[in-house]
Amino acid sequence: AQSVTQLDSQVPVFEEAPVELRCNYSSSVSVYLFWYVQYPNQGLQLLLKYLSGSTLVESINGFEAEFNKSQTSFHLRKPSVHISDTAEYFCAVSRPSGAGSYQLTFGKGTKLSVIP
Amino acid sequence: NAGVTQTPKFRVLKTGQSMTLLCAQDMNHEYMYWYRQDPGMGLRLIHYSVGEGTTAKGEVPDGYNVSRLKKQNFLLGLESAAPSQTSVYFCASSFGTSGREQFFGPGTRLTVL
Repeated sequence: AQSVTQLDSQVPVFEEAPVELRCNYSSSVSVYLFWYVQYPNQGLQLLLKYLSGSTLVESINGFEAEFNKSQTSFHLRKPSVHISDTAEYFCAVSRPSGAGSYQLTFGKGTKLSVIP
Repeated sequence: NAGVTQTPKFRVLKTGQSMTLLCAQDMNHEYMYWYRQDPGMGLRLIHYSVGEGTTAKGEVPDGYNVSRLKKQNFLLGLESAAPSQTSVYFCASSFGTSGREQFFGPGTRLTVL
C-alpha cells in the first residue's frame, strides 16, 4: 500500500519569510515524487518532480524540494515567499499500477497563505 | 493548444438525475484520468484510461461510469446522482509511463441537491 502524508493542512507565513511544506510517503517500491500547485478556482499545475538523479530539484519560481530516501520525505521549500505564492500545494507519489501505467496518489494538500 | 478542457464548468443536479462530464485533450496523450477533489481529502482517482477503448477503476469508482471512444475524449457519467457526489471533478491526461507529468483541466464544480 502507498500513502502520502502532508503534515500541515494550513501554513500561514509572512511575505519574504521562508517556508517549508512537509511531505512524507510510504511505499514498498521505488517511486516518482511530485509537487503540484493549485491556485484558487483553477486546476493543478506541476511545480516540480523527482524522477532520479540529483535529490534536490528546483522549480522556475524559486521553490525547491529534496528527496530523502532514508526519511521517505520530499519537503518543499522556498527561501522567500511572495503574495502570489498563496495557493494549495499537493504532494503526490507515482507508482506502477499494471499494464505499464502509473497512478498518482495525492496527499490531502497544504494551504499556503502569504500574509502581507 | 488548448491543453485539457472540461465541460461544463458548473452544474447543479437533483438527486437521481444523470449527467455526463466531458473531458477533451489536444496533446495526443494516451492516458487520461478522472479525479474528484473534496475539502481536506486531496484528489482521489475515480477511473482512468490507458488508451482508446480501455478504462479501469481507480480508488473511488462506485457510482460512476466512463468511456473512451476517441483518444482525445474521456467521458465521466453519473447515472443516478447522489448528494455524496457533490464535488469538484478534474480530468487529467499524460503520455503515461514512468513518472510522466499529468496535465489537469480547470475542473467541473458539481452540486447534487
